Amino acid sequence: AQSVTQLDSQVPVFEEAPVELRCNYSSSVSVYLFWYVQYPNQGLQLLLKYLSGSTLVKGINGFEAEFNKSQTSFHLRKPSVHISDTAEYFCAVSDNTNAGKSTFGDGTTLTVKP
Amino acid sequence: DTAVSQTPKYLVTQMGNDKSIKCEQNLGHDTMYWYKQDSKKFLKIMFSYNNKELIINETVPNRFSPKSPDKAHLNLHINSLELGDSAVYFCASSPRQRDTQYFGPGTRLTVL
Repeated sequence: AQSVTQLDSQVPVFEEAPVELRCNYSSSVSVYLFWYVQYPNQGLQLLLKYLSGSTLVKGINGFEAEFNKSQTSFHLRKPSVHISDTAEYFCAVSDNTNAGKSTFGDGTTLTVKP
Repeated sequence: DTAVSQTPKYLVTQMGNDKSIKCEQNLGHDTMYWYKQDSKKFLKIMFSYNNKELIINETVPNRFSPKSPDKAHLNLHINSLELGDSAVYFCASSPRQRDTQYFGPGTRLTVL
């Protein structure tokens, strides 16, 4: 069975500082990995995804993530955050079992302070 | 042009009532989902359909019944609503299983 652990429930950071949101996953087969962002009172939208190939994945809004198979991690990073990055961030994993179901982490609340 | 739309956006109702939430996607996707997001923002999958066939049915009370009349629509009917059903319900679609999911704006259900 697959699972996702987001290691930080809340991450406060000052504007223009770098940020890392951590995600570890567990699966016995090859995985697809996703990061989604949810702004207040909205649905989730895709930030970036890893399917195969290069382990460094670039997404929208200046975010990037690195797939590390040996550490089963997929941490999200941004070198300089803006106030507008304040949102809930979800890591998700899907594999080729159980009809390709995606399992979501519990979310990390990123708060960017001026 | 809204890719995944849900109606209604807000739903306030009394315990014991029956209600439905509708979802439509105009992306031509084969797979659709229903998720429940609780007050702590935890997101749990409830159901998934692929080409109108139910493929994922998580541990959800049988008061919840999904219906997919065609590939573009996935509705959720809830019987005998309970206080614990209060949550935000999201519909999503994807081109195929395992792929990127596109979420609707959510339906905030409040059971009084």
